[in-house]
Amino acid sequence: GNSVTQMEGPVTLSEEAFLTINCTYTATGYPSLFWYVQYPGEGLQLLLKATKADDKGSNKGFEATYRKETTSFHLEKGSVQVSDSAVYFCALGRGGSEKLVFGKGTKLTVNP
Amino acid sequence: KAGVTQTPRYLIKTRGQQVTLSCSPISGHRSVSWYQQTPGQGLQFLFEYFSETQRNKGNFPGRFSGRQFSNSRSEMNVSTLELGDSALYLCASSLGPQETQYFGPGTRLLVL
Repeated sequence: GNSVTQMEGPVTLSEEAFLTINCTYTATGYPSLFWYVQYPGEGLQLLLKATKADDKGSNKGFEATYRKETTSFHLEKGSVQVSDSAVYFCALGRGGSEKLVFGKGTKLTVNP
Repeated sequence: KAGVTQTPRYLIKTRGQQVTLSCSPISGHRSVSWYQQTPGQGLQFLFEYFSETQRNKGNFPGRFSGRQFSNSRSEMNVSTLELGDSALYLCASSLGPQETQYFGPGTRLLVL
């Protein structure tokens, strides 16, 4: 079945550091890929998405590229801020919906 | 445009009781999905509704049920609560089954 594997956290960085959170997936066909973010005490917010191979999703300085050859969708940001501290979830879905499958989440803490 | 709203935000119940959670989707969205989030199991898909019909169901016992109304609002019900049902229950809405899901803040259920 479909599955998502994320790098285990927690990840602790200093402000302005470079961020990478690895995500790989197993799926049949051509799923859509997503990154969601969850701030403390809140629900999930869509951060970015990509619907086909080589697509790059981007938002708020975060980027991720859909790599079919390596079945990966790694999240990157060039310079993190304290306000980026949250839990990040990689997810895949068919056509953008229908039972999203999530990774276990990676907790990011950014220190000033 | 208002986001997905969920009520109540917090709930405390005792074992054996039943509970009903409510979700109002973003205006114009016709699909609603439900997920359970626990520290141990992460985010797991419960069910998806579109046009008042359940389209997909996750691997949960029959104690978990849901429905969708003609105005796209959805409810989920858990009967005969168990301690292990303590979780954050997240609702997500999308324009349709092939569209990106947007999440609400969740209902945190504690079963004592």
